[in-house]
Amino acid sequence: EVQLVESGGGLVQPGGSLKLSCAASGFIFSSYDMHWVRQPTGKGLEWVSAIGTAGDTYYLGSVKGRFTISRENAKKSWYLQMNSLRAGDTAVYYCARASLVNPFALDIWGQGTMVIVSS
Amino acid sequence: QSVLTQPPSVSGAPGQRVAISCTGSSSNIGAGYDVHWYQQLPGTAPKLLIYGNINRPSGVPARFSGSKSGTSASLAITGLQAEDEADYYCQSYDSSLSYVFGTGTKVTVL
Repeated sequence: EVQLVESGGGLVQPGGSLKLSCAASGFIFSSYDMHWVRQPTGKGLEWVSAIGTAGDTYYLGSVKGRFTISRENAKKSWYLQMNSLRAGDTAVYYCARASLVNPFALDIWGQGTMVIVSS
Repeated sequence: QSVLTQPPSVSGAPGQRVAISCTGSSSNIGAGYDVHWYQQLPGTAPKLLIYGNINRPSGVPARFSGSKSGTSASLAITGLQAEDEADYYCQSYDSSLSYVFGTGTKVTVL
């Protein structure tokens, strides 16, 4: 079964750091671009970051310089290191796989992990 | 901030047809980038519903269809069913902001 499982969310103080992980199973991980998308409670979806198969990285403007996306093909996992966290970063964070048929579409999503930035 | 605009809500009785619009600009939909649609049932992760403007992934019922014209796109649900009650989001690529999602539309089955 194709599956993505996030972990690493939690409560962190403003200015703090958190590292999210996403573990993949059921597909050839190294062949896919991978994304992070977040959703504040009761609000819409917001794309955060992506990493290509060659390790090329892309970020939402407001997280550039604070967040770092990475991948570890041997462990079929990728990560989002979040530093200098702000209250506005509070959200459910989803990892998602880009489709091979249309790489701009996200065809598999994880269940999400909650990040709360609060003092 | 979302650069793709959707109506906050649409509603219809079972069996009816509803349509959700997604309005962008010349830097995203109008630039030729594809539009994709996602369904988010309450308390769950989004699910890909339509990709590449008009294509349905395997397992998505044929009552869901997509279209695109100019700087806008639309998702139609024909023969509305109770289980279609959810939030729906369009998504595209913007030449200045990278991947972008719509503001989201809540579909209510009366």
